[in-house]
Amino acid sequence: GNSVTQMEGPVTLSEEAFLTINCTYTATGYPSLFWYVQYPGEGLQLLLKATKADDKGSNKGFEATYRKETTSFHLEKGSVQVSDSAVYFCALSDGAGGTSYGKLTFGQGTILTVHP
Amino acid sequence: GAVVSQHPSRVICKSGTSVKIECRSLDFQATTMFWYRQFPKQSLMLMATSNEGSKATYEQGVEKDKFLINHASLTLSTLTVTSAHPEDSSFYICSARFISTDKQYFGPGTRLTVL
Repeated sequence: GNSVTQMEGPVTLSEEAFLTINCTYTATGYPSLFWYVQYPGEGLQLLLKATKADDKGSNKGFEATYRKETTSFHLEKGSVQVSDSAVYFCALSDGAGGTSYGKLTFGQGTILTVHP
Repeated sequence: GAVVSQHPSRVICKSGTSVKIECRSLDFQATTMFWYRQFPKQSLMLMATSNEGSKATYEQGVEKDKFLINHASLTLSTLTVTSAHPEDSSFYICSARFISTDKQYFGPGTRLTVL
């Protein structure tokens, strides 16, 4: 079956530091890949996505590239801010039913804390 | 943006009672809603897919008779945990798929504690 593995947290950084959160996946076929973010007290929000190999998703300074050869979708940001403190989830969708937003398989989440 | 609400946000109940959790899409219609369960420091696990007007599809290992799902309208799905036990204590999250854009939007979650 499908699975997603994220780097263990929590991750603590100083403001303006470089961020990498590793994510690797196992799936059959050609899944779509996502990063979701959950701020305290709020629901998960889509941060970025990529639907095919070599696609790069980007949003709010975050980037992730769909690497089929290494089955990875690592999240990066060049300079984090205190407001980026949240829980980050990597996820994949098997694309069943012709939708890239079908059943989602999530990683375990990585807690990011950014200090001033 | 699209908003999904859940009610209640927290509930504490006694063992053996039933608890209903509501998931509403506030400003859009959703033919499909998903129910997830999240254990501490673990990922979200899909419990079931709820389609408006039809029976829910449960994931392997999820007890249909224990976790009753009803999706009576395009904006409301409910999850009822029947005869709750302490092991059912968890964080339950719903998401709704917006018909027009096909995107999923998540609710803030419901913390269930069974004493």
